[in-house]
Amino acid sequence: GAVVSQHPSRVICKSGTSVKIECRSLDFQATTMFWYRQFPKQSLMLMATSNEGSKATYEQGVEKDKFLINHASLTLSTLTVTSAHPEDSSFYICSATPSGGTGETQYFGPGTRLLVL
Amino acid sequence: AQSVTQPDIHITVSEGASLELRCNYSYGATPYLFWYVQSPGQGLQLLLKYFSGDTLVQGIKGFEAEFKRSQSSFNLRKPSVHWSDAAEYFCAVEYSSASKIIFGSGTRLSIRP
Repeated sequence: GAVVSQHPSRVICKSGTSVKIECRSLDFQATTMFWYRQFPKQSLMLMATSNEGSKATYEQGVEKDKFLINHASLTLSTLTVTSAHPEDSSFYICSATPSGGTGETQYFGPGTRLLVL
Repeated sequence: AQSVTQPDIHITVSEGASLELRCNYSYGATPYLFWYVQSPGQGLQLLLKYFSGDTLVQGIKGFEAEFKRSQSSFNLRKPSVHWSDAAEYFCAVEYSSASKIIFGSGTRLSIRP
């Protein structure tokens, strides 16, 4: 089956530093990937849609200069949290839709837990 | 506006009892419908999905869901729950192919021994 990985699975950083999270589709190509954020005991909220070779589309209220998304290849999208602050601490989950398929099914990564001290 | 409602925040059922988790969506057309399960600190696992056709969908782990257009609902059911079913359950909708997924607020399921 389609597998999506995320790296790292867990990261702790100091306030003011930047953190990069990778999302990879391991056995399929993904033209479109999605980034979600989940705060404790809350649902997943879509942050942005990442399209290979073009700029990401951000949801309302998500700062594009703070959450930099790069989708340079059909199997890799990265989310960089710039100048992280404690309020950015959250569980970040990506998903990917196989290219060339019917597109209805998104495959989710295992998530990355970010803690900003 | 497009939305997904899971009216039950937390449900507790006895092991072996039946389960039904409610989900309603708002939209003019029929979206793609999903149920996901999330264990603490883990990612999402797809239980089942509905795109078209038979309105009763069978999923993994003995779960099923029924799409009712007239009620804009997609309730999840299981005839007999196991202690390992304790988790957070999310209903989700996707309104067109390869578009964003909107998640409900989730229902936390606890199992009483």
